[in-house]
Amino acid sequence: DAGVIQSPRHEVTEMGQEVTLRCKPISGHDYLFWYRQTMMRGLELLIYFNNNVPIDDSGMPEDRFSAKMPNASFSTLKIQPSEPRDSAVYFCASSPRSTGELFFGEGSRLTVL
Amino acid sequence: DQQVKQNSPSLSVQEGRISILNCDYTNSMFDYFLWYKKYPAEGPTFLISISSIKDKNEDGRFTVFLNKSAKHLSLHIVPSQPGDSAVYFCAARGLRGRDDKIIFGKGTRLHILP
Repeated sequence: DAGVIQSPRHEVTEMGQEVTLRCKPISGHDYLFWYRQTMMRGLELLIYFNNNVPIDDSGMPEDRFSAKMPNASFSTLKIQPSEPRDSAVYFCASSPRSTGELFFGEGSRLTVL
Repeated sequence: DQQVKQNSPSLSVQEGRISILNCDYTNSMFDYFLWYKKYPAEGPTFLISISSIKDKNEDGRFTVFLNKSAKHLSLHIVPSQPGDSAVYFCAARGLRGRDDKIIFGKGTRLHILP
C-alpha cells in the first residue's frame, strides 16, 4: 500500500518564480495536512483539509501561499511569488478520522535563491 | 504562542541507558498526544500515542506518560540504542469538537552515544 506521495522531492528556483508542490494522500484518509519545517520554527501547520474542504488556513504565512484539494486524491500548495525566506522542507500528511495518527510523505525540499 | 513546547533542543544519552524526552502543552482541549521520530531527509514517522483518558502507554522499549494536571507528557526509551538517534517531535490533537488540527513541538534531537 503506497504511503503519502509528494512531488517534487527537491525544487530549486529563483526569487519571484511560482512554485507548486503536490501531494497524493493515502486512499480513504479524511484529513490532509500541509506542514513546513524550518530550523527556527520546527514543524508548522500551514493548512488542513477535511473531506477536501479547507478547515483551518490560519497557519498560511501570507497571501502568496495558497492550497487546494480538488478531489480526495490530490492536493497542491502554491507559492507565488516565491521568496528566499520560503526555503524549507514542506511536508504533506494524511490521517483517518478514527485515529489521531498522521502519515507523512517524504517532503519537498524547496530552495529559493 | 506555542501550544506544544519541547524545551530541550537536544539530548545526549549513553547507549543502554534511559532516554527521557519531555513535552508541555497549554491547550486543555487536546485529548490525543503523539510522538514522532524523524531521520534526516525522511518524513516523520509515528512512534507512539496516548489518549487523554490514560496516563501511560507502553510499546516495547517506548513508554509515554501523560500528566494532565501538569499538562505534561514524556517519552521514555529504555534501553537506548544507536538507531534511536533522531529528532523526536511531540504532537497534540483535539479529536472532540471542531479542533482537529495536529500541533507539533519544535522537536528534540536525541544523540545516543556509544
